[in-house]
Amino acid sequence: NAGVMQNPRHLVRRRGQEARLRCSPMKGHSHVYWYRQLPEEGLKFMVYLQKENIIDESGMPKERFSAEFPKEGPSILRIQQVVRGDSAAYFCASSPFIGEQYFGPGTRLTVT
Amino acid sequence: DQQVKQNSPSLSVQEGRISILNCDYTNSMFDYFLWYKKYPAEGPTFLISISSIKDKNEDGRFTVFLNKSAKHLSLHIVPSQPGDSAVYFCAASVRNQFYFGTGTSLTVIP
Repeated sequence: NAGVMQNPRHLVRRRGQEARLRCSPMKGHSHVYWYRQLPEEGLKFMVYLQKENIIDESGMPKERFSAEFPKEGPSILRIQQVVRGDSAAYFCASSPFIGEQYFGPGTRLTVT
Repeated sequence: DQQVKQNSPSLSVQEGRISILNCDYTNSMFDYFLWYKKYPAEGPTFLISISSIKDKNEDGRFTVFLNKSAKHLSLHIVPSQPGDSAVYFCAASVRNQFYFGTGTSLTVIP
């Protein structure tokens, strides 16, 4: 059973471009969470999704950020018109139920 | 608004001794607490958890203690090993939303 997969591992975007981060949860896991870690900070909750539903997006910036978890395929975190402040490590986690989460290796986004 | 705080950014411990990592929280509604370990360039790895109805949970060398009245959580690692050197995050959850501390970097000196 493969772990949580995230790709790409590293992503470089120029200011104003779009960033798409993908997360494939562990097999059998229907809960997906996205977190952002800024330099020298802890993990900050962004959004919690189940298949085809956003359950809680209270940690997501209101503009430019969106997330989805379609019936088929990976969960996508999309950042439009990226700015330098979006540079961070983005982690996805999945769980089969409410409880412990299994994290992916993260995507490091650099905005130049 | 940091609801989960790890006030010690770093800790150094001699191999074989006990490592104690601390965590404080402010929200009395948290019902589940977890510790994660993170190596550079990797995602956090789940270590151990505790429900709010318990005050202690043990798994091998790792023990988590919960003091609800003080809103304090601690992780004890004994004996500490060089491979334990990593950043440790505590997390707390309510209604399936998780809040993480800023992490404590543990260095175990051989």
